[in-house]
Amino acid sequence: GAVVSQHPSWVICKSGTSVKIECRSLDFQATTMFWYRQFPKQSLMLMATSNEGSKATYEQGVEKDKFLINHASLTLSTLTVTSAHPEDSSFYICSAARWGQSTDTQYFGPGTRLTVL
Amino acid sequence: GENVEQHPSTLSVQEGDSAVIKCTYSDSASNYFPWYKQELGKRPQLIIDIRSNVGEKKDQRIAVTLNKTAKHFSLHITETQPEDSAVYFCAAGHNTNAGKSTFGDGTTLTVKP
Repeated sequence: GAVVSQHPSWVICKSGTSVKIECRSLDFQATTMFWYRQFPKQSLMLMATSNEGSKATYEQGVEKDKFLINHASLTLSTLTVTSAHPEDSSFYICSAARWGQSTDTQYFGPGTRLTVL
Repeated sequence: GENVEQHPSTLSVQEGDSAVIKCTYSDSASNYFPWYKQELGKRPQLIIDIRSNVGEKKDQRIAVTLNKTAKHFSLHITETQPEDSAVYFCAAGHNTNAGKSTFGDGTTLTVKP
């Protein structure tokens, strides 16, 4: 199957600092990756679509200047939470789309638990 | 945009019984309906998906049915086991853009031994 990794698995930072999260597709190339956040006991909320070689597409209500996304290669997308605050504490999950025959399937990374003090 | 409603929010069954989770969607253009299982603190795992050209799909103890006319789809788990306990999410989206699927709010399934 398709494997997606995420690093780090958890991070604790002070308010005002920036945190970078990496998402990698290990055994396939992904022109498109997705970033979600998930609050405890809630569903996954799509934040943005990361497109290799071009700007990310953000969902309504998501601040693009706060959540910087870079998709520099076909196997790596990064999410940087800038000037993090306690309300940014959440479980961040990436996913990568793998193409089959005219359809694609989404595979999720293991997630990153961010705690902002 | 798409709106997905999922019921029930919690479901408790006895080991060996069947479990059914139902979802409705609003966008008639949606044609891809995956189901994910998420254990506490872990990633969502795709357990089964169905595309709109079929009405039912089965994989061992898991089956999904789709009614496009009524815009609803269901997950059926037979012979439940304690390890089936998890949160299950349905989603609705498009064949060619699975990552843009809209998720339901999840169902916490507890299988009692």
